[in-house]
Amino acid sequence: AQSVSQHNHHVILSEAASLELGCNYSYGGTVNLFWYVQYPGQHLQLLLKYFSGDPLVKGIKGFEAEFIKSKFSFNLRKPSVQWSDTAEYFCAVNRNSGYSTLTFGKGTMLLVSP
Amino acid sequence: DAMVIQNPRYQVTQFGKPVTLSCSQTLNHNVMYWYQQKSSQAPKLLFHYYDKDFNNEADTPDNFQSRRPNTSFCFLDIRSPGLGDAAMYLCATSRQGEDEQFFGPGTRLTVL
Repeated sequence: AQSVSQHNHHVILSEAASLELGCNYSYGGTVNLFWYVQYPGQHLQLLLKYFSGDPLVKGIKGFEAEFIKSKFSFNLRKPSVQWSDTAEYFCAVNRNSGYSTLTFGKGTMLLVSP
Repeated sequence: DAMVIQNPRYQVTQFGKPVTLSCSQTLNHNVMYWYQQKSSQAPKLLFHYYDKDFNNEADTPDNFQSRRPNTSFCFLDIRSPGLGDAAMYLCATSRQGEDEQFFGPGTRLTVL
């Protein structure tokens, strides 16, 4: 069975600091990788995704993530965070089969102080 | 806007009293999912429908059932809620052949 591990449960940063959230997955086959974000009081929404091709993917709001196959990692980055980035971030993976179910990590709560 | 809608947003029930949570979608997606998310934990898939085909996760308790009367609606029935069933319940949809899932706002269930 596949699993997803997010290294940090809580991260606190000041505005303009750089962000990197770790995500590792365990699955031997070809996978699709996702980062979802949940702003306070709102629903989960897709931040970015990797299916194939360029391992560096860019998402909304200045976020990007890099897929490193040899490390089974898909870390999320942002060069300069804003107060509005305060949210919970979930890494997720599914098998690259056109339709399969998602496995989520436990999430990382990011708090950005002004 | 096309979206996934969950009602109610907050539900309080008593221990052992059946409860039904509702999800509707205007995306016309043929796959619908129900997740349970407890505090500080990952969303956990309970079951999903691929069109009318019901797919139950192996570790989903029998206490949880689902119905999908048509493409737009899907219900989660908890027959005898226990204190451990208090959680956020998330509904999501996806289109056949695509992996991105679209989530509703969730229903927070409290069991007294």
